[in-house]
Amino acid sequence: DTEVTQTPKHLVMGMTNKKSLKCEQHMGHRAMYWYKQKAKKPPELMFVYSYEKLSINESVPSRFSPECPNSSLLNLHLHALQPEDSALYLCASSQEGGATGELFFGEGSRLTVL
Amino acid sequence: QQQVKQSPQSLIVQKGGISIINCAYENTAFDYFPWYQQFPGKGPALLIAIRPDVSEKKEGRFTISFNKSAKQFSLHIMDSQPGDSATYFCAASLSGGKLIFGQGTELSVKP
Repeated sequence: DTEVTQTPKHLVMGMTNKKSLKCEQHMGHRAMYWYKQKAKKPPELMFVYSYEKLSINESVPSRFSPECPNSSLLNLHLHALQPEDSALYLCASSQEGGATGELFFGEGSRLTVL
Repeated sequence: QQQVKQSPQSLIVQKGGISIINCAYENTAFDYFPWYQQFPGKGPALLIAIRPDVSEKKEGRFTISFNKSAKQFSLHIMDSQPGDSATYFCAASLSGGKLIFGQGTELSVKP
């Protein structure tokens, strides 16, 4: 079983809604990530938090807003999304800020934007 | 170049056979090369990884071969089993937390 927990597992939202995806890890990892994955494609990096500070933003549109309240939690706030934003959103964590590339992924939140 | 090129896109292997997936990269700044396995409806899971100063790493039925001069690395799955059927991603890591994934290989192991 994964040690990175994501909620909700499925989310359907309209283009005017505001919703949030949540991620939690209790492995003591100090880096956390948001990835987006479309069907039959590799995960695409969105954001990296290292020691609770945003260290990488891969030019993600502002309708996606990340938040790291503490070292165990990571949120992704969603507002005014487009249908093309429908995807599997994966949270991951790693021990050393990602230097080793050994990420632990959650099972993802499948988002559908109507 | 921050791309990692992966082949083949799909692979069908008989039970007990050897599955081989290849990856190539250009950026010499990559410092770690993990492989991830993803089952449908699940997140990717780390399978095995190698540093560029090592030519081979074996864990059970899974072996990474790494050729630094050719900038290529590959995953070999020995005695492939139907339970190995999944999508496999090679990846390359940059310091600072950036992980670049290959395009993925969909492996199907036939009984």
